[in-house]
Amino acid sequence: EVQVLESGGGLLQPGGSLRLSCTVSGFSFTTNDMSWFRQAPGKGLEWVSSISASGDKTFYADSVKGRFTISRDNSKNTLLLQMNSLRAEDTALYYCTRGTSHPGDWGQGTLVTVSS
Amino acid sequence: DVVMTQSPLSLPVTLGQPASISCRSSQSLVYSDGNTYLSWFQQRPGRSPRRLIYKVSNRDSRVPDRFSGSGSGTDFTLKISRVEAEDVGIYYCMQGIQWPRTFGQGTKLE
Repeated sequence: EVQVLESGGGLLQPGGSLRLSCTVSGFSFTTNDMSWFRQAPGKGLEWVSSISASGDKTFYADSVKGRFTISRDNSKNTLLLQMNSLRAEDTALYYCTRGTSHPGDWGQGTLVTVSS
Repeated sequence: DVVMTQSPLSLPVTLGQPASISCRSSQSLVYSDGNTYLSWFQQRPGRSPRRLIYKVSNRDSRVPDRFSGSGSGTDFTLKISRVEAEDVGIYYCMQGIQWPRTFGQGTKLE
């Protein structure tokens, strides 16, 4: 059974930093591209960032470019999202998914709240 | 950016009756490999999104066969042959051909 588990969310002030983690099981992490998506309260889905299976290619939404960094540890089946210079508009439920072109296997999400 | 436009945004339905959601992209979603990267997602109230359909018409495992996807180029449709109570939620289309990935606004089935 495929399992995707995000963690690391929390409440923090504008300008702060946070690192999200996603651990997966039930599929070959090392051969799959991975992505982060987010959903602000009461809003639609938004793509945030993606990374190739080997980690050599990364992609970012303009809204997070220069502030967020996606990475992966294939030895630990873990996807990471380092978020710096957080803003109120980054408040959202962050989802980790397998794939980038038609993402399947979504986790339950981890909530990030940026507020003073 | 590829703009995805869904209609309607709200869809009142009657149990047992069919339902249809349209999704239009501002550019063709046919990739150089010949595939068309258009997916449909369901998000039930309080739940994570769940992929229903990928590459226009491929239904995910454990997705009931009352769901079907069709279309080509820039015009796509998600159909539910007979709506059931568990189908209530928001449906999104997404393009996977170009960065940034983009979603439609969502259609609320109610």
